[in-house]
Amino acid sequence: EVQLVESGGGLVQPGGSLRLSCAASGFTFSNYWMHWVRQAPGKGLMWVSHISTDESDTLYADSVKGRFTISRDNAKNTLYLQMSNLRAEDTAVYYCARDDGVAGEDYWGQGTLVTVSS
Amino acid sequence: DVVMTQSPLSLPVTLGQPASISCRSSQNLLHSNGNTYLNWFHQRPGQSPSRLIYKVSNRDSGVPDRFSGSGSGTVFTLKISRVEAEDVGVYFCAQGTYWPRTFGQGTKVEIK
Repeated sequence: EVQLVESGGGLVQPGGSLRLSCAASGFTFSNYWMHWVRQAPGKGLMWVSHISTDESDTLYADSVKGRFTISRDNAKNTLYLQMSNLRAEDTAVYYCARDDGVAGEDYWGQGTLVTVSS
Repeated sequence: DVVMTQSPLSLPVTLGQPASISCRSSQNLLHSNGNTYLNWFHQRPGQSPSRLIYKVSNRDSGVPDRFSGSGSGTVFTLKISRVEAEDVGVYFCAQGTYWPRTFGQGTKVEIK
């Protein structure tokens, strides 16, 4: 069974940093591109970033470019999102999602809440 | 960025009756490789999204056949032939033809 479990969310002050993790199991993690998608409270979904299997290809939404860094450790089956210079508008539930290589995100984690507030 | 516009935003439905959600994109979603990357997701209250339909009309594994997707170009539809109680929640369309991938604002389905 495919499982994605995010962790690392919490309350952080504006300008602060946080690292999110996504532990994958039930599939060969190193074979799949991965995504981060976020959802502000009561709002819709916004794609944040993706990473290729070997980290050679990464892409970011304009709103997080230069502040967020996606990475992965295939030996640990874990996806990361390093977030810095956080803003109030980054407050959201952050989901990691697997890319099925055919049509995009198929499996999603349960999400981790990031709250940016003083 | 490609803008995805869903309608209606709220959809009260009667159990056992059909329901339909529209999704329009600001650009043609037909990719140069011949595929149209339009997916539908369902998010139950308090849960993460789950994919129902990929590439316009393909149901994901385990998705009941009462769900169907159709459309082309810039106009797409998700239909539920007979709504069941477990179908409540928010439905999102999403495009993957262009980067960044973008989502519709969501349609909230609730039982009358």
